[in-house]
Amino acid sequence: QQQVKQSPQSLIVQKGGISIINCAYENTAFDYFPWYQQFPGKGPALLIAIRPDVSEKKEGRFTISFNKSAKQFSLHIMDSQPGDSATYFCAARSTSGTYKYIFGTGTRLKVLA
Amino acid sequence: EAGVVQSPRYKIIEKKQPVAFWCNPISGHNTLYWYRQNLGQGPELLIRYENEEAVDDSQLPKDRFSAERLKGVDSTLKIQPAELGDSAVYLCASSSRERSRGTQYFGPGTRLTVL
Repeated sequence: QQQVKQSPQSLIVQKGGISIINCAYENTAFDYFPWYQQFPGKGPALLIAIRPDVSEKKEGRFTISFNKSAKQFSLHIMDSQPGDSATYFCAARSTSGTYKYIFGTGTRLKVLA
Repeated sequence: EAGVVQSPRYKIIEKKQPVAFWCNPISGHNTLYWYRQNLGQGPELLIRYENEEAVDDSQLPKDRFSAERLKGVDSTLKIQPAELGDSAVYLCASSSRERSRGTQYFGPGTRLTVL
């Protein structure tokens, strides 16, 4: 069973601080790594994504760092805001063309005002 | 462009009762997913369709769960009979290799409570 391990389970950050969430995967059979943001009562929404041929991708305050050799990727939220308080999920998509996604267990982020 | 639509948003039933969830994917998206999300957990795939064909249903509890995607558009997920452990949020997602490079988009989910 392919797995994606996510940490920490919860995170509290002061407003303006940097939030860092980490994920690790167990094999190389993935070709796409998205991060989803989920607010209570809502479905997950795509936040940012990266492909394994790139080591970093930045969109506004959100950055993904990807380490292919270590099989790890992380989400950095710069200048964290209270509105960023949500649950974040990393995911990995299989390379077999089947477009099957495996999700991490989620990180509940709280940004203090 | 309208997003993934799901109904109902909430459902409360007694155990052993049947329940059905409906999903309308983004127009033109040929791939449709049903996920179950337990409280505090990530989504877990139940079934994935490519057009009308269920190409991955290995995680679907087939003794009580069934799904269909007639005409390759809308989909229905059914549970009969429901058990207490089925209480969860059921998420539908869709994607398109041509239009979104396979990126999947989620609906708001149906929160099921089994009493």
